[in-house]
Amino acid sequence: GQQVMQIPQYQHVQEGEDFTTYCNSSTTLSNIQWYKQRPGGHPVFLIQLVKSGEVKKQKRLTFQFGEAKKNSSLHITATQTTDVGTYFCAGQRPGTSYDKVIFGPGTSLSVIP
Amino acid sequence: EPEVTQTPSHQVTQMGQEVILRCVPISNHLYFYWYRQILGQKVEFLVSFYNNEISEKSEIFDDQFSVERPDGSNFTLKIRSTKLEDSAMYFCASRYKFMNTEAFFGQGTRLTVV
Repeated sequence: GQQVMQIPQYQHVQEGEDFTTYCNSSTTLSNIQWYKQRPGGHPVFLIQLVKSGEVKKQKRLTFQFGEAKKNSSLHITATQTTDVGTYFCAGQRPGTSYDKVIFGPGTSLSVIP
Repeated sequence: EPEVTQTPSHQVTQMGQEVILRCVPISNHLYFYWYRQILGQKVEFLVSFYNNEISEKSEIFDDQFSVERPDGSNFTLKIRSTKLEDSAMYFCASRYKFMNTEAFFGQGTRLTVV
């Protein structure tokens, strides 16, 4: 079946350092979504990418969708303690329901003040 | 800001017992979901619900699971005979319309089966 993988599983950074998490799918995706889950919290939608090679920015966060639509990345510039949490990517396979996205295992980010 | 609310926040039940997890989606939303997250693991899709019927379900959503929208506001997940491996955080989510990108998640119900 379709697999969505993320690396790294854990990342510890000093506050002010940059952070990147990578999402890779075993199959081409229609779109990819990114969610953030704070410790003890619930997933919160961040963004959706649809087009091949698409790049979107939200303040210090930059999201990219690969040319082949099989991978994506989330880059955070100059991390802050408020960035702490687990970042999940979730992908939809072409021909499947929009609802049935497959979540990756997440990258847990710790920021050391 | 409107939000999805779930009750209870924590449910402890004995193996073999039935549990009902409750959710109140955002009032004008039309698409409703249940997800599961085993502690420390990824979020897993269980089921989606639209127009008073299931639109999609995953392999996890077997005959032990059912969903219902008994009135205009509540959306419930029932597990008929709980197993130890059903212990997880269960999230309800809702979306306003199809292809609207943002799904709003509730705070979750932590189910512990003993």
